[in-house]
Amino acid sequence: GAGVSQSPRYKVAKRGQDVALRCDPISGHVSLFWYQQALGQGPEFLTYFQNEAQLDKSGLPSDRFFAERPEGSVSTLKIQRTQQEDSAVYLCASSLEGAANTGELFFGEGSRLTVL
Amino acid sequence: AQKITQTQPGMFVQEKEAVTLDCTYDTSDPSYGLFWYKQPSSGEMIFLIYQGSYDQQNATEGRYSLNFQKARKSANLVISASQLGDSAMYFCAMREGTSGTYKYIFGTGTRLKVLA
Repeated sequence: GAGVSQSPRYKVAKRGQDVALRCDPISGHVSLFWYQQALGQGPEFLTYFQNEAQLDKSGLPSDRFFAERPEGSVSTLKIQRTQQEDSAVYLCASSLEGAANTGELFFGEGSRLTVL
Repeated sequence: AQKITQTQPGMFVQEKEAVTLDCTYDTSDPSYGLFWYKQPSSGEMIFLIYQGSYDQQNATEGRYSLNFQKARKSANLVISASQLGDSAMYFCAMREGTSGTYKYIFGTGTRLKVLA
């Protein structure tokens, strides 16, 4: 489809396992964002890419979290040694750059991670 | 300090009535954008409306309008003629920074229930 695609939609991991979440943004979108949304809360910023450059990773909660976008399109968020507090929906969003547009974020459907 | 504040955890409105969802923000950046997103129970984030900090007029998109009061740093969403399908979580968000250094911050959300 033409929207932001995320996989897997649902992931159950045992505590201590590593997980990888994939985001395929809208073709041509320069900016890519990862957010973490706990149940009943607003999305919390994790990290931001402009093309392949990770310009802001200030929201990553620990060094167990790592994100990459090596070719400036698909991005992967990796969580090592998962903990129960990592259980959340991980949202990916992409956006066009440029002053001519509002900078609206287009979101994927999210990856729901449950750590047992 | 909270950059985006939504003080109404939940709101009820009668079908066909108008409702206002509150949002206040805090920034020292002269250039910023304000957004409202809708998140139904299915989980996807749907863009509703955008207001730029330099826009003189309040933004409108169909039944949605944004009551922008810059001096008060408020950006309330007004939904006119509420419909049952408007029942969802609503998030206010702010984008700070000029081109190249985007960061979007979300509020904690307001859950709207439209009553038949």
